[in-house]
Amino acid sequence: EAGVTQFPSHSVIEKGQTVTLRCDPISGHDNLYWYRRVMGKEIKFLLHFVKESKQDESGMPNNRFLAERTGGTYSTLKVQPAELEDSGVYFCASSQLGGGDYTFGSGTRLTVV
Amino acid sequence: AQSVTQLGSHVSVSEGALVLLRCNYSSSVPPYLFWYVQYPNQGLQLLLKYTTGATLVKGINGFEAEFKKSETSFHLTKPSAHMSDAAEYFCAVSWSNFNKFYFGSGTKLNVKP
Repeated sequence: EAGVTQFPSHSVIEKGQTVTLRCDPISGHDNLYWYRRVMGKEIKFLLHFVKESKQDESGMPNNRFLAERTGGTYSTLKVQPAELEDSGVYFCASSQLGGGDYTFGSGTRLTVV
Repeated sequence: AQSVTQLGSHVSVSEGALVLLRCNYSSSVPPYLFWYVQYPNQGLQLLLKYTTGATLVKGINGFEAEFKKSETSFHLTKPSAHMSDAAEYFCAVSWSNFNKFYFGSGTKLNVKP
């Protein structure tokens, strides 16, 4: 089975620009999660989708971040406008409804210069 | 607030030596406990987890961890390090049916020949 796919693997953008990260979960996984790791610090929860609905977005840093999951399949995380402190690695994970182990993607490394 | 502490951002051991990576959590309510490993350019991979039952948990690649409620700890061990164990290790906890993880800041394990 294909794993969780994230695109792009790396992105370098200038402060003030917009970036969109994409996550394709494992087929059939209704739970989809976004996490972020700022350099050298802990990995922090951003939000949780169940199918297309946002179940918990308590970790979203501010309104410059917008996550969507139209159709309950892939998800996008848009940062607009990007700031220097948004740099880090953004991880996506998915799991089946009712619990079960997460499968993480390999992350998108975002650098804002 | 819940938190996870991993003591030592970098640990170095010789090949064949004992690996001990420390993890403590702060909460009066025992959580579910996890260890993840990240190899370069890969996603987080589940090593082992404790949910209920036996407090000594065995995982993949010869790793094991013991949940000690009185010490609020879940340290990861491996009797004999292998070069292929060099990676970054993350301790994580969850209280919400696995729908939100709290991660430690990670420990990079270096294995010397």
